Order: sequence, then structure tokens, then C-alpha cells
Amino acid sequence: NAGVTQTPKFRILKIGQSMTLQCTQDMNHNYMYWYRQDPGMGLKLIYYSVGAGITDKGEVPNGYNVSRSTTEDFPLRLELAAPSQTSVYFCASSISGPSPGELFFGEGSRLTVL
Amino acid sequence: GNSVTQMEGPVTLSEEAFLTINCTYTATGYPSLFWYVQYPGEGLQLLLKATKADDKGSNKGFEATYRKETTSFHLEKGSVQVSDSAVYFCALMDSSYKLIFGSGTRLLVRP
Repeated sequence: NAGVTQTPKFRILKIGQSMTLQCTQDMNHNYMYWYRQDPGMGLKLIYYSVGAGITDKGEVPNGYNVSRSTTEDFPLRLELAAPSQTSVYFCASSISGPSPGELFFGEGSRLTVL
Repeated sequence: GNSVTQMEGPVTLSEEAFLTINCTYTATGYPSLFWYVQYPGEGLQLLLKATKADDKGSNKGFEATYRKETTSFHLEKGSVQVSDSAVYFCALMDSSYKLIFGSGTRLLVRP
């Protein structure tokens, strides 16, 4: 079972470059999330989506954009990369309803901005 | 606002020792509470949860009880194994189905 798949796993960017982190899930989950995890810190929510066509900001949205054109895909776009965006990014999904809170995470994408 | 506070790590234990990782929360109402675990090089995965006061979540020998009087959800295990070495995250779910995580506690179990 694929679950939540993120690509790429590793990427090095130069300051000012742009890129898209891809995330896809095959569980037909309505809810999808992007988190970042800085060293020694917990996860901070960047953006989330409750269904196709609907997105909303989390705690730390500045410098990022998302779209949700299908249930399966939730790409995260970094425009004008900055060193402060060096982090590990996790995509997650969940199904609303009787058992909320169980998020299924991808393996993470480690991004370095130099 | 809602927040979760965990004890700082790392926590280093010998195999078969007793484990406690403290977690307290601040929230309006009575949110659902969770423990997630992150093994090296992997994403987070749900370890256990509790959805109302006095509930006890349990899984793989780990337990945590939802204490509304002390706003706590401490993680315990009676006898840890080397394979339990990981980072443990306490979290609460807010009214918009978003998880708010603590900063994580690294556990290292030595043989």
C-alpha cells in the first residue's frame, strides 16, 4: 500500500530559486496537510486542505503556496527560497469523521537552501 | 491559544527500565489527545489516542491517560526495549481537525 507519497526526498536550492514539493495519497482522504519540522522542534502547520478546491493557512504560511485540484494531490510551492526555509517537510492526510486525528504521514522531504 | 508542552529530551534509559514522558496541554474545551512516534528516517505514525477525560489510550505496551484536572497526557511504558528508541510527540486536535504538536522528546534506550 502506497499511503502518502512525497517527492523529492532531498533537494538543495539556491537562495531565490523556486520549487514544488509533491504529495499524493491513495486513501481517498479528504484532509491533507503540510508541516515543517525544524531541528529539535515540533511540527508547524504550513497549509491544510479539507477537500478538493479548498485550502487554508496554518501557523507558518509565509513564503509558501498550495493548491488542491484533486482529492489525491496537494503540492507545496516555495517561491523565492530563503535559508529560513531549510527544514524537513512532511505531508499528511486524514479522513474526517468518527476517527479524527489519525494522520498518515509521508516519509518527508529534506530541503536545504544555500 | 491551544498549545502542547513536552518534557525536553533526550531521555536515556537502559533496556527494561520504566519510561515516563510528560505532556501537558492548554486548550479550550476538551480536545482529543494523541501520541505520535517518529522512528529514524521515517514520518510520524500514530501510537495512541484518547478522545475524552479519563480515557486511557494504549498500544505496543505504551499507555497514556487523559487527565483533565491536571491537563496532562503523560506517556508511560513499563519496560522499554532498544527498538523503542525514537522521537515521541504529544499532540492535541483543535476544533478545525488540525493537530497541534509538542516539540518532541527523543528517547534513547541502551542495551
